[in-house]
Amino acid sequence: DAKTTQPNSMESNEEEPVHLPCNHSTISGTDYIHWYRQLPSQGPEYVIHGLTSNVNNRMASLAIAEDRKSSTLILHRATLRDAAVYYCILTNDYKLSFGAGTTVTVRA
Amino acid sequence: SQTIHQWPATLVQPVGSPLSLECTVEGTSNPNLYWYRQAAGRGLQLLFYSVGIGQISSEVPQNLSASRPQDRQFILSSKKLLLSDSGFYLCAWSVRGGWGNTIYFGEGSWLTVV
Repeated sequence: DAKTTQPNSMESNEEEPVHLPCNHSTISGTDYIHWYRQLPSQGPEYVIHGLTSNVNNRMASLAIAEDRKSSTLILHRATLRDAAVYYCILTNDYKLSFGAGTTVTVRA
Repeated sequence: SQTIHQWPATLVQPVGSPLSLECTVEGTSNPNLYWYRQAAGRGLQLLFYSVGIGQISSEVPQNLSASRPQDRQFILSSKKLLLSDSGFYLCAWSVRGGWGNTIYFGEGSWLTVV
């Protein structure tokens, strides 16, 4: 699987947007970009995924660079419940390989 | 709607004892099934996956085994637990076929080997 690079941690203030970057310079044409998050003591939760175009859902937005070598997960208004580890994962089959992710801290 | 259940939620087992964690998925047919483990302070590691009854693929050599006796049932086992088997075990499922499908996780089982 192609590798992703994420910052170890990010801090945000409550009700402010959070932009989580992910670099994936070796992405292949068939790789989907998935984002999951894991709250403390829970299993990972699907956030969003995309292939080439930007995607929006009720949780977040995914902005994919034109060359697909990077992407950004956008949480539009962070809440305390968004504090979690966020994983950016590339997959072109039915398996997911998790890296270390980005630990997001939200300040009240 | 689809749901995934795994049990027990927590267990404390002595070294050398057997292990059985069970997982069932409801509301879907022919799912892909997965077992992941997260050791304390570590990332998620894929242990096993299955694309059908009796079909098990192992991602890492270890003291554990998996079985899929029914379409929506996935079992993680060990004959003799090691201290290093302690961790947070997660069962997951995804829709069969295609690629890039979303994987849905259960609530996890905390295993402490003492």
